[in-house]
Amino acid sequence: DAGITQSPRYKITETGRQVTLMCHQTWSHSYMFWYRQDLGHGLRLIYYSAAADITDKGEVPDGYVVSRSKTENFPLTLESATRSQTSVYFCASSEGLAGGLTKNIQYFGAGTRLSVL
Amino acid sequence: AQKITQTQPGMFVQEKEAVTLVCTYDTSDPSYGLFWYKQPSSGEMIFLIYQGSYDQQNATEGRYSLNFQKARKSANLVISASQLGDSAMYFCAMREPLAQGGSEKLVFGKGTKLTVNP
Repeated sequence: DAGITQSPRYKITETGRQVTLMCHQTWSHSYMFWYRQDLGHGLRLIYYSAAADITDKGEVPDGYVVSRSKTENFPLTLESATRSQTSVYFCASSEGLAGGLTKNIQYFGAGTRLSVL
Repeated sequence: AQKITQTQPGMFVQEKEAVTLVCTYDTSDPSYGLFWYKQPSSGEMIFLIYQGSYDQQNATEGRYSLNFQKARKSANLVISASQLGDSAMYFCAMREPLAQGGSEKLVFGKGTKLTVNP
């Protein structure tokens, strides 16, 4: 099916462990994003990518690593999970730059609910 | 920086009635885009409707329409003929340029929880 898929949907891990959240999109969108959603903070951007092999930090990148070797995949790795990283993680993708009259809608995956114990 | 304000933490509406969810925004950019997303209890974020600052008409998508008042900096979502399945969190969002890479992120409001009663 076309779209953007995240896996796993739910993950429980322990502090100090490495965790990788997967994101795959079938639209060949140039841009991909990782957000986290927390009560009181709304959605915050962790990392984004403009194309394969081009990534950059968002608002809250500490403790996370991303890669984008292929256009369709954008995994997010928590190198050493901490309790403060308990959150719902959303991956999103969009066609490209907006500005002017372009919509550049970001489409979201279903999210991964991560609990760090 | 862009700012989105949703002043209604919760709203209730009777099935088949219309409901308006309020969103105000602040930006100094003359060109901007506004979005509404729906987040049901299952958790996914679903794009509903988009309004560009230069669009001549208010956006409509099926039962969703956007009451865009540029001078007042408001972009209210109107849902007509509410259905039980409309019960969800609704988020208003605006694009904000990222410093590097030429891309944009979304800045979200805190959301409004809509409950549709039978």
